[in-house]
Amino acid sequence: ETGVTQTPRHLVMGMTNKKSLKCEQHLGHNAMYWYKQSAKKPLELMFVYNFKEQTENNSVPSRFSPECPNSSHLFLHLHTLQPEDSALYLCASSQDAGSYEQYFGPGTRLTVT
Amino acid sequence: KNEVEQSPQNLTAQEGEFITINCSYSVGISALHWLQQHPGGGIVSLFMLSSGKKKHGRLIATINIQEKHSSLHITASHPRDSAVYICAVQFYGGATNKLIFGTGTLLAVQP
Repeated sequence: ETGVTQTPRHLVMGMTNKKSLKCEQHLGHNAMYWYKQSAKKPLELMFVYNFKEQTENNSVPSRFSPECPNSSHLFLHLHTLQPEDSALYLCASSQDAGSYEQYFGPGTRLTVT
Repeated sequence: KNEVEQSPQNLTAQEGEFITINCSYSVGISALHWLQQHPGGGIVSLFMLSSGKKKHGRLIATINIQEKHSSLHITASHPRDSAVYICAVQFYGGATNKLIFGTGTLLAVQP
């Protein structure tokens, strides 16, 4: 247990569906991250939130919409996804977005059909 | 060419062997991370280092900033060490410290 939880752990959705991924951290951290891990590719940073403000959007398509209502919760809203968006989506947190160790959640395995 | 290169990509070892995984990078960094990912997908941070050497149990991580190279060593390897080991380099990108990840080294330790 890293102190970062993600739900759901697995998600299958059609291209016209709307779904949301949820991440919660119980570590008192102020920075939260979304990463995408596709098969045989390195993890890619998607978004960073620091003290609830988005500080990084790594050229992510608008069909991915993040939301950070408070420092403990992070959402990734999904709509009109493509099959190539199928991947493992990992959430992480750190003390803040400076030079600190990141703690990862277990990930959500997303399949877009 | 990836900014973070790991070698080997795959490694099979016998229980008890000494294991070394290497990471080379091409950018200036503020820190380097070694991460472990088990088949279920969850990632655990093993080390974060910016100079010298760190040790935790049977794991040792070293970094040479001048040569832009880091190694992760596992002594007396055990089947439970089987996982993907990922090197990630951290650099300051404006308001945020960013991580760039290697593709990982898949380690299988056989009994």
